[in-house]
Amino acid sequence: AQSVTQPDIHITVSEGASLELRCNYSYGATPYLFWYVQSPGQGLQLLLKYFSGDTLVQGIKGFEAEFKRSQSSFNLRKPSVHWSDAAEYFCAVGAGGYQKVTFGTGTKLQVIP
Amino acid sequence: GAVVSQHPSWVICKSGTSVKIECRSLDFQATTMFWYRQFPKQSLMLMATSNEGSKATYEQGVEKDKFLINHASLTLSTLTVTSAHPEDSSFYICSARAPRLAGGTDTQYFGPGTRLTVL
Repeated sequence: AQSVTQPDIHITVSEGASLELRCNYSYGATPYLFWYVQSPGQGLQLLLKYFSGDTLVQGIKGFEAEFKRSQSSFNLRKPSVHWSDAAEYFCAVGAGGYQKVTFGTGTKLQVIP
Repeated sequence: GAVVSQHPSWVICKSGTSVKIECRSLDFQATTMFWYRQFPKQSLMLMATSNEGSKATYEQGVEKDKFLINHASLTLSTLTVTSAHPEDSSFYICSARAPRLAGGTDTQYFGPGTRLTVL
């Protein structure tokens, strides 16, 4: 069965600092990988996804993620964090696109001035 | 971009009553919709996959007689929580799978969620 691990429950960064959120997955075949962001009381917004091709994926709001098969990782990065990036971030893995998507437990990002 | 709406955004009901939550894809036809449940400070748990015109596929451990799903059209899916109890209180989120564009990949759009509180 597929699974996702987000080892960091809560991360605090200063505005303007760089950010990396970790995600490790377990899946037998080539995974479909996603990062979503959720603001308080809101639904989820897709930041980026990896289905195939270039392992460095660019997303919205200046985010990027790199798929590393050897490490079973799909870490999310942003070079300079803005206060509006404070939210909860979910990594997810899917089998065959959007079928049976499994979400990680999320990482809550706090941005301090 | 594609929009998925949910109604109501929040609902409070008495124990034993039934609550219906609607999920609509506003500007595209969604052959597949998904229903998730999110407990406080936890991740989303897939409850069921709903295909237009057919019975929903429920995940293991989800009571299909309690969580009735109807995908009556390509733009509307409903989740009815029957005989709700306090333990059903949660944040329910739907998503809709948008058609694949030529040369592209399909995309899933999430609704804003419905907060259900059962007293």
